[in-house]
Amino acid sequence: QSALTQPPSASGSPGQSVTISCTGTSSDVGGYDYVSWYQQHPGKAPRLMIYEVSKRPSGVPDRFSGSKSGNTASLTVSGLQAEDEGDYYCSSVAGSTNVFGTGTKVTVL
Amino acid sequence: EVQLVESGGGLVQPGGSLRLSCAASGFTFSRYWMHWVRQAPGKELVWVARINSDGSSINYADSVKGRFTISRDNANNTLYLQMNSLRAEDTAVYYCAKESRWYFDPWGRGTLVTVSS
Repeated sequence: QSALTQPPSASGSPGQSVTISCTGTSSDVGGYDYVSWYQQHPGKAPRLMIYEVSKRPSGVPDRFSGSKSGNTASLTVSGLQAEDEGDYYCSSVAGSTNVFGTGTKVTVL
Repeated sequence: EVQLVESGGGLVQPGGSLRLSCAASGFTFSRYWMHWVRQAPGKELVWVARINSDGSSINYADSVKGRFTISRDNANNTLYLQMNSLRAEDTAVYYCAKESRWYFDPWGRGTLVTVSS
């Protein structure tokens, strides 16, 4: 049950794009199309942003998109806005359990 | 509105026990898998445990297996986490979350558990 690997930080200016990677193994990310992404602001509960690799829940701006290739999933935020600043976590099913990523702090410059 | 509200957190000594509750509303609780996820101060999210809709299938993270017990009361729309033999490293905000096809939505606001002497 090792955590999925994410870069500690990512940044971009308003209007730019940022992409966050999430690397696992064939036992989690690579083995299932059940990768999800969560945004967390300080002191708040996580919020679902992407599920099943690339699907967006209602209410999530279409600036957020997800993809997967092999054992690595990615979250892209296009047209960065100030409110996109926060921590982002990926998650994947891993057999009969779940595993989260190490988290990425996104800074809007 | 779907809502999850955790309670039961607090300060406990190492080796002690605590029972967390998660009150669910706004959806048919008995039809969904439920999870506990925790987050140590300044650290990442860590999955803790899950339980299926009728309580017959349960899984735990290795770090809590044998010490924590997840359960549910579908008649009262409540999820529980019984935590025994608590350690300093169990200090965290504990979130409950509703699962839909392997993703978590929504999450509760969390309850803080502090294990310290």
